[in-house]
Amino acid sequence: DIQMTQSPSSLSASVGDRVTITCQASQDISNYLNWYQQKPGKAPKLLIYDASNLETGVPSRFGGSGSGTDFTFTISSLQPEDIATYYCQQSDDLPFTFGPGTKVDIK
Amino acid sequence: VQLVESGGGLVQPGGSLRLSCAASGFTFSTSNMNWVRQAPGKGLEWVSYISNSSRTIYYADSVKGRFTIARDNAENSLYLQMNSLRAEDTAVYYCARDAATIGGGEFDLWGQGTLVAVSS
Repeated sequence: DIQMTQSPSSLSASVGDRVTITCQASQDISNYLNWYQQKPGKAPKLLIYDASNLETGVPSRFGGSGSGTDFTFTISSLQPEDIATYYCQQSDDLPFTFGPGTKVDIK
Repeated sequence: VQLVESGGGLVQPGGSLRLSCAASGFTFSTSNMNWVRQAPGKGLEWVSYISNSSRTIYYADSVKGRFTIARDNAENSLYLQMNSLRAEDTAVYYCARDAATIGGGEFDLWGQGTLVAVSS
């Protein structure tokens, strides 16, 4: 199975700050990497697919980059409504696997 | 456009449960679908995938041989039959639409989830 790691596991930032989360795959997954946002008590929501493509309706402050084994997720200007846990997930090979998540809150 | 899960509840170890997911607002019959679960306080785990025609089905090793995914395109419904349930199957179960054009694994629409608790 492809193992996904994320760092940091949690972070606190101020409103307006730039936030960066990294995700690493245990083997080359090309660009088959998706990012999800999950708010407490809610279902996950797809934000970024294929490493860098913004899902329709998602604010442009969210972004993604990377290929191969190393990926980055960015919130360019953190907003209060962005408080959530963010997960990366690979869709290159079965079983589809998720990273452990990064919890983002406001400082 | 929504997915609504039902059928969760408390079941004893070794018991069975059948989850349902009702789809509306989109063309279910052309959509590939998945089940994804989340144990309390834990991360996300993909469980199973079914293609739009039911021709292709995949399972996570952790549920293979115990869970069965199925769909009824006439009823716009997805199902997960869960047998031989274990404590480690306790989780919120989400159905999720798959937007990937090749291979699967891009979950673009999720239901609200249904809680399955396995305990004596």
